[in-house]
Amino acid sequence: TQLLEQSPQFLSIQEGENLTVYCNSSSVFSSLQWYRQEPGEGPVLLVTVVTGGEVKKLKRLTFQFGDARKDSSLHITAAQPGDTGLYLCAGVNSGGYQKVTFGIGTKLQVIP
Amino acid sequence: ETGVTQSPTHLIKTRGQQVTLRCSSQSGHNTVSWYQQALGQGPQFIFQYYREEENGRGNFPPRFSGLQFPNYSSELNVNALELDDSALYLCASSLRGGVLETQYFGPGTRLLVL
Repeated sequence: TQLLEQSPQFLSIQEGENLTVYCNSSSVFSSLQWYRQEPGEGPVLLVTVVTGGEVKKLKRLTFQFGDARKDSSLHITAAQPGDTGLYLCAGVNSGGYQKVTFGIGTKLQVIP
Repeated sequence: ETGVTQSPTHLIKTRGQQVTLRCSSQSGHNTVSWYQQALGQGPQFIFQYYREEENGRGNFPPRFSGLQFPNYSSELNVNALELDDSALYLCASSLRGGVLETQYFGPGTRLLVL
């Protein structure tokens, strides 16, 4: 069974602070995805990283895929209250079908 | 909005009953996956349907079953409901065949089993 561990599980910070969320696994994935989920809604895909060592930026969000394709991080610069939500990492394996394994999530609260 | 819709939005059932949840996929998508998200957890993969057949399944018992219709919409059926089945049930549609198959999630159906 493939497992993804996310840390921290809860994070409460002041507006303007920086933060990093980590996603680790003992398994190798074809790609890794980060989602954001708000209450009462389904997860929304933020980014997919495919190549080991890959770094992608989405405005104030920076995503990195580990060299061995087992871990990833999400860094948010100058957090805003609108960044509040549940951040989920998900490992993707493509074989006969695309299997997506989610982590437990990091619940982020940005206080104005 | 992703274009994926689910019904109903909320549902209350009692232990032992059966439930059917519905999902309409995004236009042009041919694959539907179902996930269970318990409170405080990440989504857990239940199964995936492609061309009206189940072609992948997570660690869920046979009382979780599904269907995919010719228009690619889908149903999730759960028999003999248990208290632990209380969760948010998410469906996600995607288009198989692309280099990166991206799943688009619906808003979910929140099921409470009493």
